[in-house]
Amino acid sequence: GENVEQHPSTLSVQEGDSAVIKCTYSDSASNYFPWYKQELGKRPQLIIDIRSNVGEKKDQRIAVTLNKTAKHFSLHITETQPEDSAVYFCAAIKVSELTFGTGTRLTIIP
Amino acid sequence: KAGVTQTPRYLIKTRGQQVTLSCSPISGHRSVSWYQQTPGQGLQFLFEYFSETQRNKGNFPGRFSGRQFSNSRSEMNVSTLELGDSALYLCASSLWQGGLEQFFGPGTRLTVL
Repeated sequence: GENVEQHPSTLSVQEGDSAVIKCTYSDSASNYFPWYKQELGKRPQLIIDIRSNVGEKKDQRIAVTLNKTAKHFSLHITETQPEDSAVYFCAAIKVSELTFGTGTRLTIIP
Repeated sequence: KAGVTQTPRYLIKTRGQQVTLSCSPISGHRSVSWYQQTPGQGLQFLFEYFSETQRNKGNFPGRFSGRQFSNSRSEMNVSTLELGDSALYLCASSLWQGGLEQFFGPGTRLTVL
């Protein structure tokens, strides 16, 4: 099956700085890569996604890049704010099965 | 448009019992997927239902089962509960089969004593 590795497991950045979270996947048949944000005690929320035929996608302060050859994708958050503090999960889909990374706890330091 | 809802939000059961969890997808969404979230194992895929048929199943024992009704609502059943089944069970809905653009419900917190 698919295996998704996510790094780092924890990340602290100063407010206003950028944060980068990286994921690798194992199965080249995976073709959809969403990112979810989960605040404490809340449901995961889809924040951005990318399909395998696209190399980069942006939505305001967040962006995702995908390198199909190397089988890795990254989440970039610029101008971080305190409300960005949460656990972020990457995922990869192959034939409707969503495999999640182990999560990154992002803390924004005011 | 109302989001994904799950009932009940909290459940306490004892070993050996069975439990049924319910998920109502976003109106118009026809696919419902179920996930188990634990601190140790993270988020793990259980199964996906689309048009009342199970389309895919994760690596869980047969004690975990589900179904989907004609209105796209879905139920998940766990029989012969074990302590290790204690977890947050999340469902997610999407328009079509395939897992794209899934929106999660608030989850059901199951505690097995």
